[in-house]
Amino acid sequence: DQQVKQNSPSLSVQEGRISILNCDYTNSMFDYFLWYKKYPAEGPTFLISISSIKDKNEDGRFTVFLNKSAKHLSLHIVPSQPGDSAVYFCAASELAAGNKLTFGGGTRVLVKP
Amino acid sequence: EPEVTQTPSHQVTQMGQEVILRCVPISNHLYFYWYRQILGQKVEFLVSFYNNEISEKSEIFDDQFSVERPDGSNFTLKIRSTKLEDSAMYFCASKEGASDTQYFGPGTRLTVL
Repeated sequence: DQQVKQNSPSLSVQEGRISILNCDYTNSMFDYFLWYKKYPAEGPTFLISISSIKDKNEDGRFTVFLNKSAKHLSLHIVPSQPGDSAVYFCAASELAAGNKLTFGGGTRVLVKP
Repeated sequence: EPEVTQTPSHQVTQMGQEVILRCVPISNHLYFYWYRQILGQKVEFLVSFYNNEISEKSEIFDDQFSVERPDGSNFTLKIRSTKLEDSAMYFCASKEGASDTQYFGPGTRLTVL
């Protein structure tokens, strides 16, 4: 099942710089997108979401951009901090269809001090 | 801050045995979910539950699986006869309303020997 794909398995960034994580999807019925952060031995923690009627949503250091025509979304973290080191998952759902989440494979981010 | 809790954190069982994984969703939440993540793979949807019945289930959720909300606070996943391939992290999630964000518990690591 490749409906949601994160092509970069890992990302290394210097503290204070921008982290950009990418996510592509194939199902045009998806209309709600989320980013979760996961530390080892913990469950996914919600970060930020965006509905398909918007192209940008911002919350503090986190901004999600949605390009519906390209079926692409990205998460920007500015500035990156060492505590941001974790695995980030992109997820998508159809609001009208029970709302199950379809996850990407995750991107492991390492922020170097 | 309210959170989803799961017990046990780690369960080891013999193949063919029954296991029950327990979750306490956030108290005012109405929608409940189980997901799993096999080591090295994506987080996969198993089942969603609303108004005391299953609203959607995946192909993984066969007759060996069942869910129950035995009282006003617990939400359980039962696997009747475990197989080696059931070894995974199992995550419970809940949300308040239909268009709200899902919040995840810390997971139960199930090891089938």
